[in-house]
Amino acid sequence: SQTIHQWPATLVQPVGSPLSLECTVEGTSNPNLYWYRQAAGRGLQLLFYSVGIGQISSEVPQNLSASRPQDRQFILSSKKLLLSDSGFYLCAWSVSLSYNEQFFGPGTRLTVL
Amino acid sequence: DAKTTQPTSMDCAEGRAANLPCNHSTISGNEYVYWYRQIHSQGPQYIIHGLKNNETNEMASLIITEDRKSSTLILPHATLRDTAVYYCIVKGRDDKIIFGKGTRLHILP
Repeated sequence: SQTIHQWPATLVQPVGSPLSLECTVEGTSNPNLYWYRQAAGRGLQLLFYSVGIGQISSEVPQNLSASRPQDRQFILSSKKLLLSDSGFYLCAWSVSLSYNEQFFGPGTRLTVL
Repeated sequence: DAKTTQPTSMDCAEGRAANLPCNHSTISGNEYVYWYRQIHSQGPQYIIHGLKNNETNEMASLIITEDRKSSTLILPHATLRDTAVYYCIVKGRDDKIIFGKGTRLHILP
């Protein structure tokens, strides 16, 4: 069966510090991978998605970046965090864009102080 | 632009059917209606999807109007564990899933 992992589960970082969130998927090959952010009291915002190794599509311009160094690994990064980067970050995978279901990870709650 | 309109919140008594409406008046012929839900502090969970016909699975039923401009998600016997934000999403086959604000459903004991 397929599983999706995210770490860390929670993170508190000062403004201006770097960020690295990791997501890995097990039990499937060549998944589509997604990063979402959910700010407090708001809906889910799609940040990045990837259809393959090294292929990243950005949905929203910002100070975040994503990378996919391996087939089942998706990393969300920032060189300098802003207060507005606080939120709940979710990684998801799907078989393809046209597949009906996306599977979400447990999320990382990031607080920038 | 939002493709769907949902009430901000709804209440439902435990054991009763919860009927969650969604308007998607601009839906195009090749776009599907999807429903996800998000329990507090968890990732969203897929519930059901449909194109034209009504659909039912072990979690819920989806009723789509004949003109496809609106739909209703039905949870037949709501329990406290069904308290969540429910997202109605319209997307084409190869489009990305874009979440709106959803409906916050409160199941009352």
